[in-house]
Amino acid sequence: GIQVEQSPPDLILQEGANSTLRCNFSDSVNNLQWFHQNPWGQLINLFYIPSGTKQNGRLSATTVATERYSLLYISSSQTTDSGVYFCAALSTGANSKLTFGKGITLSVRP
Amino acid sequence: NAGVTQTPKFQVLKTGQSMTLQCAQDMNHNSMYWYRQDPGMGLRLIYYSASEGTTDKGEVPNGYNVSRLNKREFSLRLESAAPSQTSVYFCASWVVRGTEAFFGQGTRLTVV
Repeated sequence: GIQVEQSPPDLILQEGANSTLRCNFSDSVNNLQWFHQNPWGQLINLFYIPSGTKQNGRLSATTVATERYSLLYISSSQTTDSGVYFCAALSTGANSKLTFGKGITLSVRP
Repeated sequence: NAGVTQTPKFQVLKTGQSMTLQCAQDMNHNSMYWYRQDPGMGLRLIYYSASEGTTDKGEVPNGYNVSRLNKREFSLRLESAAPSQTSVYFCASWVVRGTEAFFGQGTRLTVV
């Protein structure tokens, strides 16, 4: 099945800094999503982005499907951005499943 | 419109006990999945149902059974709970393959 790798595994930022989170995947995809898991354990949908670029406030995401990677940009980070960021991908194969990376733990310090 | 609802939110079981985790979605989605999340492992697929009336095994199905009761509901059953099944369980749904997936709030299960 598809392999999903995220980097870096951990990230510590000062409030106000910018960051880039990366997701590499091993196969062609027809679904690529970014999630934020908050300290209460909820999975929040950030972006559904199998290709192209989207922006939502201070967050934006870009997926380059031909090169099999996706990037999540966080600008002017806030302490509420802390948590774990997951990338999940669904390959185009008929029997494929939505597969998660292991996550990136982000800590934003005041 | 509640999205994906899981019950219960928390549960403590003794080894050998059984229980059923419930999941319901009100978005008229065809596909529903059950995942478990363990520290450092991301989310791993247990079982899925591509459409009403069908179920298939995922990556880690051992010790679990599922029932797609109708289009709205997909339950996960532990027949004889083991400490290795201590985890956070998430249910997800989406319309069809390739569309955006939506997750429930999770069930935190501890088996002692």
